[in-house]
Amino acid sequence: AQKVTQAQTEISVVEKEDVTLDCVYETRDTTYYLFWYKQPPSGELVFLIRRNSFDEQNEISGRYSWNFQKSTSSFNFTITASQVVDSAVYFCALSALMMDSSYKLIFGSGTRLLVRP
Amino acid sequence: DAGVIQSPRHEVTEMGQEVTLRCKPISGHDYLFWYRQTMMRGLELLIYFNNNVPIDDSGMPEDRFSAKMPNASFSTLKIQPSEPRDSAVYFCASTPGGVINEQFFGPGTRLTVL
Repeated sequence: AQKVTQAQTEISVVEKEDVTLDCVYETRDTTYYLFWYKQPPSGELVFLIRRNSFDEQNEISGRYSWNFQKSTSSFNFTITASQVVDSAVYFCALSALMMDSSYKLIFGSGTRLLVRP
Repeated sequence: DAGVIQSPRHEVTEMGQEVTLRCKPISGHDYLFWYRQTMMRGLELLIYFNNNVPIDDSGMPEDRFSAKMPNASFSTLKIQPSEPRDSAVYFCASTPGGVINEQFFGPGTRLTVL
């Protein structure tokens, strides 16, 4: 069965520090997608990135970067020079393909990031 | 374009009452998902629809919960009768069909059952 593990329940850093959020997944699907979502204190879930299992290139978007390593089944998320506005709960998710070719997302338990000024 | 719309945003009710949560997905999206988020259990998928047809309702906690999607632009999640342990934030999300895309989430409905 598919599973997503975010072992870090809560991380606290001081502004401008770099921080890495870990995500480890389990799946038997040969093709799958991985996602990261951000949930700020206001409560909405904001999509950050989607990554295809065939694309292991790292991705950078401003201060955000993602490291996908199939060999270790990990899809880690790094925030460089963190800011107070980065304080949120971050969720990693994995696609699970269903018999009728539809799919659902399996979410991790989330990592709460607190960036202190 | 408007995103996923949920109503009400907040609902406070008493135990035993019927609660109906509403969702309007993004136009053109084939999939609609209902999630529940609690501190204890995190984000749980309750049920999802593909082209208005329920595909997987294995996450629905019990018979008190039911969901419908009468047309492509509207879905409801009903709890009858409600219990205090149903207190949570309920999210609706939608996504297009085809290639696996990100799910677009609504703002959520915060339900409190007293």
